[in-house]
Amino acid sequence: DIVMTQSPDSLAVSLGERATINCKSSQTIFFTSSNKTYLAWYQQKPGQSPKLLIYWASTRESGVPGRFSASGSGTDFTLTISSLQPEDVAVYYCQQYYRTPIAFGQGTRLEIK
Amino acid sequence: EVQLVETGGGLILRGGSLKLSCAVSGFTVSNNYMSWVRQAPGKGLEWVSVIYSGGNTYYADAVKGRFTVSRDNSMNKVYLQMYSLGDDDTAVYYCTRDRSGDGIFDYWGQGALVNV
Repeated sequence: DIVMTQSPDSLAVSLGERATINCKSSQTIFFTSSNKTYLAWYQQKPGQSPKLLIYWASTRESGVPGRFSASGSGTDFTLTISSLQPEDVAVYYCQQYYRTPIAFGQGTRLEIK
Repeated sequence: EVQLVETGGGLILRGGSLKLSCAVSGFTVSNNYMSWVRQAPGKGLEWVSVIYSGGNTYYADAVKGRFTVSRDNSMNKVYLQMYSLGDDDTAVYYCTRDRSGDGIFDYWGQGALVNV
């Protein structure tokens, strides 16, 4: 099974500053025949269901603010919030869908400093 | 508007059974891959099972042989039948749509709490 590991477990960033969350997969999740990386990012605000932010490692879901971006390849990935807003307080999860069983990272809790 | 509404959660004794329902509006479940994802209290997300548009089903090892996913096309509902429930099954269970069958979960229900 593919294991997803996020760092840090928690993060406190000042409003307007950049937040960076890392995610590492235990094996590559890049499928050469499709030239796609099978990685998604989700945001879960307190008391709410998860929400899809990013898929194919860097494609922003419709309606997601432009301050959210993601990058990476192979086994190392990053979610960046360029200018933290109060509504971005949440737990963020990466997820691989390269192979069953689908696996999520353990989550990174993002707070305001 | 797309809505996924889970029902059927509750308090159940260890070893008991429970069936969750997910009523969907806004798209047709039989044309989509539908997954269940759970979240233990204060913990992260764990994929549980999927039913493909063609009817094939797959399960996480932790629930294989104990859980069964199914759907009712006429009701546009997805179900998760759970048997032999243990403490580790205590969680909020989310019904999700798997966009394009790739494993990208674009719609989520509000979740149903199962407390063993």
